[in-house]
Amino acid sequence: DVKVTQSSRYLVKRTGEKVFLECVQDMDHENMFWYRQDPGLGLRLIYFSYDVKMKEKGDIPEGYSVSREKKERFSLILESASTNQTSMYLCASSLPAYNSPLHFGNGTRLTVT
Amino acid sequence: KNEVEQSPQNLTAQEGEFITINCSYSVGISALHWLQQHPGGGIVSLFMLSSGKKKHGRLIATINIQEKHSSLHITASHPRDSAVYICAVKRNTGNQFYFGTGTSLTVIP
Repeated sequence: DVKVTQSSRYLVKRTGEKVFLECVQDMDHENMFWYRQDPGLGLRLIYFSYDVKMKEKGDIPEGYSVSREKKERFSLILESASTNQTSMYLCASSLPAYNSPLHFGNGTRLTVT
Repeated sequence: KNEVEQSPQNLTAQEGEFITINCSYSVGISALHWLQQHPGGGIVSLFMLSSGKKKHGRLIATINIQEKHSSLHITASHPRDSAVYICAVKRNTGNQFYFGTGTSLTVIP
């Protein structure tokens, strides 16, 4: 069965800290995505990657960076966490085919104090 | 303006009722995705469709490409159907998905 695993379910960090959110998929998917989900705004794309070492900015990349050194792992980095980055972060993966569905991790609820 | 609009935003139904959630989009797409999110839970894929109609148990999804509209129907609704239902479209260029803001469904016993 398809599995996308996010390293933490809940995370509390202080303003200014560097934060790493890890995501691993076991389906050999080329595409991986990081979204944040906020009430009333839906899911917004932060970054995505369509291959190892390849990345593209999404709609809200400011304050974030990503790393994809291996096909199965896609990391989201908050260089200097701020309170407006308090949110639910969701990782997803898919095959490149047009009709390939997204598979989501369970999400990481990050609180920045 | 969001490329994907869902209605209604919130929906309360009695157990057993027939439920319809609507999704309209304004861009060219290759496929449309219906997703379900339970409170505190992750998001799971219900359907991915490019044309016509798909059925899985009590769930039915339809899409009209010409009208840029999709509907998700739930027959004989049950309290365990209570969740947020999200419509997402995959544009016909690129790998990105665009999401509606979701419909929060509550089914009362």
